[in-house]
Amino acid sequence: DAGVIQSPRHEVTEMGQEVTLRCKPISGHNSLFWYRQTMMRGLELLIYFNNNVPIDDSGMPEDRFSAKMPNASFSTLKIQPSEPRDSAVYFCASTTGTGDRSYGYTFGSGTRLTVV
Amino acid sequence: GQSLEQPSEVTAVEGAIVQINCTYQTSGFYGLSWYQQHDGGAPTFLSYNALDGLEETGRFSSFLSRSDSYGYLLLQELQMKDSASYFCAVRGGYALNFGKGTSLLVTP
Repeated sequence: DAGVIQSPRHEVTEMGQEVTLRCKPISGHNSLFWYRQTMMRGLELLIYFNNNVPIDDSGMPEDRFSAKMPNASFSTLKIQPSEPRDSAVYFCASTTGTGDRSYGYTFGSGTRLTVV
Repeated sequence: GQSLEQPSEVTAVEGAIVQINCTYQTSGFYGLSWYQQHDGGAPTFLSYNALDGLEETGRFSSFLSRSDSYGYLLLQELQMKDSASYFCAVRGGYALNFGKGTSLLVTP
């Protein structure tokens, strides 16, 4: 298995522009998570999908952020309009069930977003 | 609410043993997990403890005491490649909440 695949690896954009991050989870995993990592705040959960349905989006910072999972093999995280404070590494992770078992989460390589 | 506390930095010598502690507060406990992250890389799953005691996986062991809301990760025979950040995590709601991480530096 190729693991969790995220694209792009790096994104530099100007403030006010729309940014779309993409994720392909591991086949057969029914849970997908988007996390954001910064030095100040660490790893923060943004949203959790189970069987393609958003279950918990309480971590989405504001209306500028939206996420979709149209099918079991694809998810997007969109920021519109982007702001410099959105600069961070965005990780997608997938697992079976809730992940608090002996197999844990599998994370993608992340997207390093820089908003200038 | 939830909180996880772990030291921000630890330094150890190659070949030595190091212990990274984690204390947590959570309303519902489903187990303590540990993840490793190298600079510029993704977090990778190391271990999971649901019950009290020690779980061993090669050079790494993880311990849990539910009564003390405490756990630790033990790394033995340290190698240079073990220099990384280590995160403890507990489930809050539907997903894992991660500590701020412990940066481990292994020196020659």
